[in-house]
Order: sequence, then structure tokens, then C-alpha cells
Amino acid sequence: DTAVSQTPKYLVTQMGNDKSIKCEQNLGHDTMYWYKQDSKKFLKIMFSYNNKELIINETVPNRFSPKSPDKAHLNLHINSLELGDSAVYFCASSHRAGNTIYFGEGSWLTVV
Amino acid sequence: DQQVKQNSPSLSVQEGRISILNCDYTNSMFDYFLWYKKYPAEGPTFLISISSIKDKNEDGRFTVFLNKSAKHLSLHIVPSQPGDSAVYFCAASARDTGNQFYFGTGTSLTVIP
Repeated sequence: DTAVSQTPKYLVTQMGNDKSIKCEQNLGHDTMYWYKQDSKKFLKIMFSYNNKELIINETVPNRFSPKSPDKAHLNLHINSLELGDSAVYFCASSHRAGNTIYFGEGSWLTVV
Repeated sequence: DQQVKQNSPSLSVQEGRISILNCDYTNSMFDYFLWYKKYPAEGPTFLISISSIKDKNEDGRFTVFLNKSAKHLSLHIVPSQPGDSAVYFCAASARDTGNQFYFGTGTSLTVIP
């Protein structure tokens, strides 16, 4: 019974393509996040949504667009993929901003 | 600008001994701290937390110590078990940063049987 689930887990795609990663949480949390872990293992927040509203939008290329159809879902769309977008993307949620964060299993994106 | 640092990328410990993982931070306004454990090809799993009103929090074999004056926290695992082998991340947040969590780069712990 996965609390935070994201799909796909692995994704290999060509430069220039557009792809989406989906995320769903069944914890009843109000806040959801997207984090990126790069090749240096640095885990950095990209976006944060609270009750479907964007509350954190770090310096991320506008090719990355989050979409939250409801507070249980936060999907990440990436347009015109570049080699440097290769990373692990983690979806996460918390009861409220500042509370303990629970992560999904990660989506390994490789751009070739 | 890395506000949370884990300066030891790796640590090896014998089974049964104590593992001590360290974490330093620069923002004196950080008031809530988390430790996560991560296995390969999985997401980080929450282990233990501590708020700045405490200097110690214990949960079974895991204890987190906070030294606010030194801006330092540590995670102690006693006794260490082979299943504890994983990457450990610390994270910190503060209300004046929008309660956003900043993560360290992790320490890879290997517990040798």
C-alpha cells in the first residue's frame, strides 16, 4: 500500500522529447513536492504545492511545468528534454509545509 | 549555496558498534531537522526528527543530537546492523525560508558483518 507513488520508475528518452512523470499520494497530505537529485547526489527542491496551489518555485527552467489536478496528485511535465535533465526525480508529500516529508520511490530519467 | 553539509561521503563500521553520522548547517534560523535513510533505487525513508527546542531525540537504536551553538547535528546508530547499510541524508528547515527543507549530500554507511 504505497503512500507516495510515482510513475514511471525508469524513463529513457531522446533529446528534444516531451515527457511526464505522474505522482499520487494517499496520505491525505496538503503539500506535495518535486525534488531533483543530480549526479552529485544533491537533493534539491524544484516545486512545492499546497492544496493545488504553487507555493515554492525554485530556479528551474520553464521547460519544467508542474500540474496539480487535485491535492493528491502532482505531475511533472518536461518539454524539450536536454541531456542535463538526466537525474532522479522524487515526488514527496507532507501534512503541511515544514512537516516531515515522505518520498516516493523516484523516477530515473535518462536523456540520450 | 549549500546550507546543509555532510562532509563525510562514506563511513564503514563493524556490526554491533556505533555509527555516528554528522551534519552541519549554516542558517541559524533552522529549527526543524530530519534524518532520512536511502537504499539504492528507492526513495529516502524518514528515520527520525528533532526540533530546535530539544537537544536529543531517541527512537530505538537511533538517536539524534542537536548542538545549536555549533550548528551541528549527528545521528547515532547503536548497535549497527548490516541492514543499516544505506545512504543517510540530513535535512533542515526554518519558517523564514518558507519551511522549505534543505538537504545534505548524504553519507554512505557500510556496516561490515
